[in-house]
Amino acid sequence: QITLKESGPTLVKPTQTLTLTCTFSGFSLRTRRVGVGWIRQPPGKALEWLALIYWDDDKRYSPSLKSRLSITKDTSKNQVVLTMTNMDPVDTATYYCAHSAVLPPRFDNWGQGTLVTVSS
Amino acid sequence: DIQMTQSPSSLSASVGDRVTITCRASQDISNYLAWFQQKPGKAPKSLIYAASSLESGVPSKFSGSGSGTEFTLSISSLQPEDFATYYCQQYNSYPLTFGGGTKVEIK
Repeated sequence: QITLKESGPTLVKPTQTLTLTCTFSGFSLRTRRVGVGWIRQPPGKALEWLALIYWDDDKRYSPSLKSRLSITKDTSKNQVVLTMTNMDPVDTATYYCAHSAVLPPRFDNWGQGTLVTVSS
Repeated sequence: DIQMTQSPSSLSASVGDRVTITCRASQDISNYLAWFQQKPGKAPKSLIYAASSLESGVPSKFSGSGSGTEFTLSISSLQPEDFATYYCQQYNSYPLTFGGGTKVEIK
């Protein structure tokens, strides 16, 4: 059974850096074609893909946010970490991590999400 | 970027109705199209991938069709648990993009 869970701060101040951790079980990021992605959703709005990291450490980013994002993995801990710099109130959203087992990637299992509020 | 446009943005339907949601891609995405269901306060749930393949455990009342730029999600015999927001997403190319969502409400 695949599970993912996001963790991190619920409140960050403008200009700060957000660090979110996705801890997963039921699969390995050493397995060929496996990837973990991050998607966010502002309150009442649609989903937005942010980043994705693959088993071979290939990384993909949303072009509109690429300069602010970094995604890394710790295979031994079954974790994927997303950092987003220079946070702004418009970045207030629920942040989800999700699993993909195929190429091209599609998200078949999602974490429960974590709400991050950006406010001074 | 490939733009995904869903229509309608919302619809009202009665229990037992059949509804159809349309998703249009701004360029050819072959069949790399997924549909998700999201209920309030919950994570999206994958329903359909490759435009028409049902995820394991998803009831056959859900069906998808289309290829290229035009796709549809149909839900037959709506039940109370089907009232939710539905999103399409293309995974043909980066950046991965989602539609704006279709909220299915009870009439």
